[in-house]
Amino acid sequence: GAVVSQHPSWVICKSGTSVKIECRSLDFQATTMFWYRQFPKQSLMLMATSNEGSKATYEQGVEKDKFLINHASLTLSTLTVTSAHPEDSSFYICSAPGYNEQFFGPGTRLTVL
Amino acid sequence: GQNIDQPTEMTATEGAIVQINCTYQTSGFNGLFWYQQHAGEAPTFLSYNVLDGLEEKGRFSSFLSRSKGYSYLLLKELQMKDSASYLCAVRGGANNLFFGTGTRLTVIP
Repeated sequence: GAVVSQHPSWVICKSGTSVKIECRSLDFQATTMFWYRQFPKQSLMLMATSNEGSKATYEQGVEKDKFLINHASLTLSTLTVTSAHPEDSSFYICSAPGYNEQFFGPGTRLTVL
Repeated sequence: GQNIDQPTEMTATEGAIVQINCTYQTSGFNGLFWYQQHAGEAPTFLSYNVLDGLEEKGRFSSFLSRSKGYSYLLLKELQMKDSASYLCAVRGGANNLFFGTGTRLTVIP
């Protein structure tokens, strides 16, 4: 199957700083990628749809100015958590759609102190 | 809006069969997925249903009834390594996935 990578796999930062997470499709092109967030013992929640060459589409309740998404190429989408706070600590996962499957990245564990 | 429900937790015995149900009410439907997720890891694909009926894949089977907004995942010959969360997800018209609450399955000896 197709491979999606994420970097970093984990990050610890201070409150108020910004953190960038990269999501790459390694062996295929993805015009669309999805960003999910997962809090402990909860399911995945779709945050936004990243579209190559155009603006991202955010789900209701997700602050677009706080979670900046850039999809600059057909193989790379980035999520920047701006002015991170402890409540932003979570597991962030990206995915790219296939024909009858979604290919997930390994996830990024963000801890904000 | 999207509303996808699963039982929160289930416990089953090694070697047994367990059925995890999922009911959904969504504004769009373009297929239903089941994923397995171990703690701290990304979900792994188990099955995909877009038409009514049963899809079998080894020890795992998944069933879909679109008219009832209902699916189940059937796990046979349970093994200890099957202890994980099982996520039901509905694909919308934009290829995005909306996940259910997830079911934490514990397999006991």
